[in-house]
Amino acid sequence: EAEVAQSPRYKITEKSQAVAFWCDPISGHATLYWYRQILGQGPELLVQFQDESVVDDSQLPKDRFSAERLKGVDSTLKIQPAELGDSAMYLCASSLGSLNTDTQYFGPGTRLTVL
Amino acid sequence: QKEVEQDPGPLSVPEGAIVSLNCTYSNSAFQYFMWYRQYSRKGPELLMYTYSSGNKEDGRFTAQVDKSSKYISLFIRDSQPSDSATYLCAMTSGSARQLTFGSGTQLTVLP
Repeated sequence: EAEVAQSPRYKITEKSQAVAFWCDPISGHATLYWYRQILGQGPELLVQFQDESVVDDSQLPKDRFSAERLKGVDSTLKIQPAELGDSAMYLCASSLGSLNTDTQYFGPGTRLTVL
Repeated sequence: QKEVEQDPGPLSVPEGAIVSLNCTYSNSAFQYFMWYRQYSRKGPELLMYTYSSGNKEDGRFTAQVDKSSKYISLFIRDSQPSDSATYLCAMTSGSARQLTFGSGTQLTVLP
């Protein structure tokens, strides 16, 4: 069964350092999402890609966060510099279509701890 | 106030019990309602998806939507220890770009 792959699974970093997360969506899925899930809360959308284009990054803190999906397949989310409040689970999801009612398949996430 | 409210629990029940998980919401434009299950250290997986009001059944799971009360529920019959997870409700209006998630209810089913 096809799955969304993410790496690393865990990342510990010190504040002010740069971190990067990688996501490989299910093959053929045009839409890719990055979510942040703070412990005890539901996922919150950071950025949504349709192929290689950003369709929604309204919740992305653009002063420190960046995301790219250069060839419309895998994607990288970067934080520079990391802050203590960035400690969270970063989830990647993908869907076949672009409608928000299309089923989103989530990866296992990257748990970030900022010291 | 959050658009979607969900009791965080934790909820602990004996094996075989009927479990009721609930969410309330304030945005009357929401029409599509989902329930996700999230095991510890894993990403959420879609369990149930309903449109508008009514009930939907899938095996031991029943999703119920009451739009007049802005209230949705997930019932689990004959609960099993493997059902132990965090359950997240999510919803959208269809025209919105994104899903709005509840904060999740942590469920433990004791053998």
